Amino acid sequence: GESVGLHLPTLSVQEGDNSIINCAYSNSASDYFIWYKQESGKGPQFIIDIRSNMDKRQGQRVTVLLNKTVKHLSLQIAATQPGDSAVYFCAEIESSGNTGKLIFGQGTTLQVKP
Amino acid sequence: DTGVSQDPRHKITKRGQNVTFRCDPISEHNRLYWYRQTLGQGPEFLTYFQNEAQLEKSRLLSDRFSAERPKGSFSTLEIQRTEQGDSAMYLCATNGGTDTQYFGPGTRLTVL
Repeated sequence: GESVGLHLPTLSVQEGDNSIINCAYSNSASDYFIWYKQESGKGPQFIIDIRSNMDKRQGQRVTVLLNKTVKHLSLQIAATQPGDSAVYFCAEIESSGNTGKLIFGQGTTLQVKP
Repeated sequence: DTGVSQDPRHKITKRGQNVTFRCDPISEHNRLYWYRQTLGQGPEFLTYFQNEAQLEKSRLLSDRFSAERPKGSFSTLEIQRTEQGDSAMYLCATNGGTDTQYFGPGTRLTVL
């Protein structure tokens, strides 16, 4: 269950498969990006971040890829588990701005089938 | 648990009533943000504090909304004369000098 390049509001994958969630961001001056996971009834939970001077960053089972040319971010989750089921949001910040406020992209609902 | 707490977790009120929400940040986090999230959407920025100073307000924050952060610790968000369109999840986030923001669990507001 992979989707590359296209943002999908819902992604359904089989447990154990890899997932790819895509996000397009809006501000070419943004230089810091975060992926958040949000479970039902809870606040967004930090997953991984990346600065604009990098194009790839890896965490535990997660990898974020950044393509500044087309203003695109992706989150790859390896060996997807039922506990990964949630809504995933990307967010951008223009660090040179005064506030550091987050601008969120469209969310993707990840459904993991056992 | 990120260490950011919000109270109450749920609030049901009648149209026209005033409501107040509270956010307790991670200790020593000097930046505090309020966001609003409606169903199916990502959070939208409302306002921002650096210590006790409110430095930016979104145009989403009508004059019925007011936020404070006395002494630069906890913050409150008050909505006066609530309307049904105010029904949403109100999220608080804080950071301590890095760009990473940590969110609380949110307050779900339902205006009848």
